[in-house]
Amino acid sequence: ETGVTQSPTHLIKTRGQQVTLRCSSQSGHNTVSWYQQALGQGPQFIFQYYREEENGRGNFPPRFSGLQFPNYSSELNVNALELDDSALYLCASSLAPNQPQHFGDGTRLSIL
Amino acid sequence: GESVGLHLPTLSVQEGDNSIINCAYSNSASDYFIWYKQESGKGPQFIIDIRSNMDKRQGQRVTVLLNKTVKHLSLQIAATQPGDSAVYFCAENRHSGYSTLTFGKGTMLLVSP
Repeated sequence: ETGVTQSPTHLIKTRGQQVTLRCSSQSGHNTVSWYQQALGQGPQFIFQYYREEENGRGNFPPRFSGLQFPNYSSELNVNALELDDSALYLCASSLAPNQPQHFGDGTRLSIL
Repeated sequence: GESVGLHLPTLSVQEGDNSIINCAYSNSASDYFIWYKQESGKGPQFIIDIRSNMDKRQGQRVTVLLNKTVKHLSLQIAATQPGDSAVYFCAENRHSGYSTLTFGKGTMLLVSP
C-alpha cells in the first residue's frame, strides 16, 4: 500500500512568485487536508478537500487555494509569495473527513 | 482563544525508562484526540488515537490517557528506545461539518542509550 506522497520535496522561490505543491493520497482515501508547519511549531490547518470540493478552511488568506482531482490527488497553490510563507507544507489523507489523517513527508518551501 | 498545548517542551530519558508526555486542551467540544510522532525531515506519523467516550487506550508500548474533567491528555511510552527520539504532538479533532486537526507546539523526546 502506497502512503501519501508529496512533490517536490524542496523548493526555493522569491517574493511575489506563485507556487504549486502536489500530493497523492493514500490508496482508498478520498479526503485530503493541507497544513503549514513553521519551524519549531505544530502544523496549522489550511484547508480540506473531500470528493473534489473544499470541505473546510483554516485562517489562511485567499491567495492560498487548492484543488482535488477525480483520483483524489490534490494541489496547493500559493500566489504572491511572502517571506512568512517559508515553511514545511504537509498533506494528509484519510478514508473520510472524520477518520485518522495520515501525513506525507511534506514540501519544504523557502522564500528568498 | 482555544488551543492545544503541551506542558514540557523537552523530555530527556534513559533507554528502558518509561516516558510520559502531557498535553492540555481547552475546547470541551473536541471529541477525538491523536498523538503523532515527527522525526527530523519527515511528516507526522500516527501513533494512537482516542475518542472522548474513552478514558484509556493501549497500543504496542504506548498508552493514551484522557481526562475530560481537567481537559488533559497524556502519552505513555513503555521501555523507551533510542528510536523513539522525536517530536511528539497531540492534536484535537473538531468536527464542524468537516474535520480539522489542531496541533500543539510539540514535545521533543530525547532518549539516551
